[in-house]
Amino acid sequence: AQTIHQWPVAEIKAVGSPLSLGCTIKGKSSPNLYWYWQATGGTLQQLFYSITVGQVESVVQLNLSASRPKDDQFILSTEKLLLSHSGFYLCAWSLDWGQDTQYFGPGTRLLVL
Amino acid sequence: GDSVTQTEGLVTLTEGLPVMLNCTYQSTYSPFLFWYVQHLNEAPKLLLKSFTDNKRPEHQGFHATLHKSSSSFHLQKSSAQLSDSALYYCALSVNAGAKLTFGGGTRLTVRP
Repeated sequence: AQTIHQWPVAEIKAVGSPLSLGCTIKGKSSPNLYWYWQATGGTLQQLFYSITVGQVESVVQLNLSASRPKDDQFILSTEKLLLSHSGFYLCAWSLDWGQDTQYFGPGTRLLVL
Repeated sequence: GDSVTQTEGLVTLTEGLPVMLNCTYQSTYSPFLFWYVQHLNEAPKLLLKSFTDNKRPEHQGFHATLHKSSSSFHLQKSSAQLSDSALYYCALSVNAGAKLTFGGGTRLTVRP
């Protein structure tokens, strides 16, 4: 069975500080990986997707970056946090795109003060 | 670009009454449509998705019909249950890409 793990569970960070969020998928090789952001009370916004190791495509610009250093790992980061980065960050995976279901991880809650 | 519209931000129902959550979309291509459900403090998970052969998807008593003529994929259930209270998202993807576009979401509250 596939499992998706995100870390940390929650973070409180200061404006201007760096951030690194992680996501690991076990039990599935070469998945498509995604990062989403959900503002409090807001909808889900796809940020990045990756089809293979080392390749990441940006969907929206939010002063964030993503990397896929390993087949089963997806990292979201920034060198300088903004207040607007607060929210719920979700990692997801799928076998393929298009009709394929995306499976979401438990998420990381981020509060920027 | 692609877009998904959910007209109701908040729907409150009494248990046992029928549920209908609206979803309309715009897309250049022939898209796939999904309904995701997110319970409080949980991650979203798939409720149902459209089929390429136009079969009507059903899950947990919910069903949705893709109407290409009206660009709609409304979610329905004949009788609401208390456990149906959650945030429901309609989403769209096209076969040629990895982007999944979500609507604004509808918060369904079912009361006794």
